Amino acid sequence: NAGVMQNPRHLVRRRGQEARLRCSPMKGHSHVYWYRQLPEEGLKFMVYLQKENIIDESGMPKERFSAEFPKEGPSILRIQQVVRGDSAAYFCASSPPGTVDSPLHFGNGTRLTVT
Amino acid sequence: GQQLNQSPQSMFIQEGEDVSMNCTSSSIFNTWLWYKQDPGEGPVLLIALYKAGELTSNGRLTAQFGITRKDSFLNISASIPSDVGIYFCAGQRINTSGTYKYIFGTGTRLKVLA
Repeated sequence: NAGVMQNPRHLVRRRGQEARLRCSPMKGHSHVYWYRQLPEEGLKFMVYLQKENIIDESGMPKERFSAEFPKEGPSILRIQQVVRGDSAAYFCASSPPGTVDSPLHFGNGTRLTVT
Repeated sequence: GQQLNQSPQSMFIQEGEDVSMNCTSSSIFNTWLWYKQDPGEGPVLLIALYKAGELTSNGRLTAQFGITRKDSFLNISASIPSDVGIYFCAGQRINTSGTYKYIFGTGTRLKVLA
């Protein structure tokens, strides 16, 4: 679990502010997935990225949410103009390239609270 | 978004009892994964299954990949208090584009009474 690094662990934002969540995948992993978890609920897929490419963003809300995974640096999940309903735990997971036998490894999440 | 059907949703058991939970889907998967999530932490991989019919153990945990590739179960034998947490199944499939998709179950919340 410690291999995937997410920061910050906790983030408090007022309504209307921007939230930036960072994820550094495990060494050698080039695939990054973002999931959202509401209290007492399961993991909902948001977006799947490879370096410099968004592969699948079918779980992303159409507005205010964006994600990137640049050639250098961590993956960023950005939420603009946050609302109370954005309060949740956001988990990043990574996997190595190219093989079916590559389960996801998760970070410890960023808990976003919108006040 | 799509989620797998996981049951039971929650269970309270006595320490020392065996636990069984399962996950079903209307579509097939290439890989089944089982994760455990402790409070305030991210999910941790417990067992990965890669072939239909495969039965794999990890200590007191045993999981099987269903023959139809549409289901999987996880058993925990002789439960202990630290088994408490949320258990998630996940199915992996390969999209037509060659990329991977992981679908998660709704979770089984396990509480162990000492």
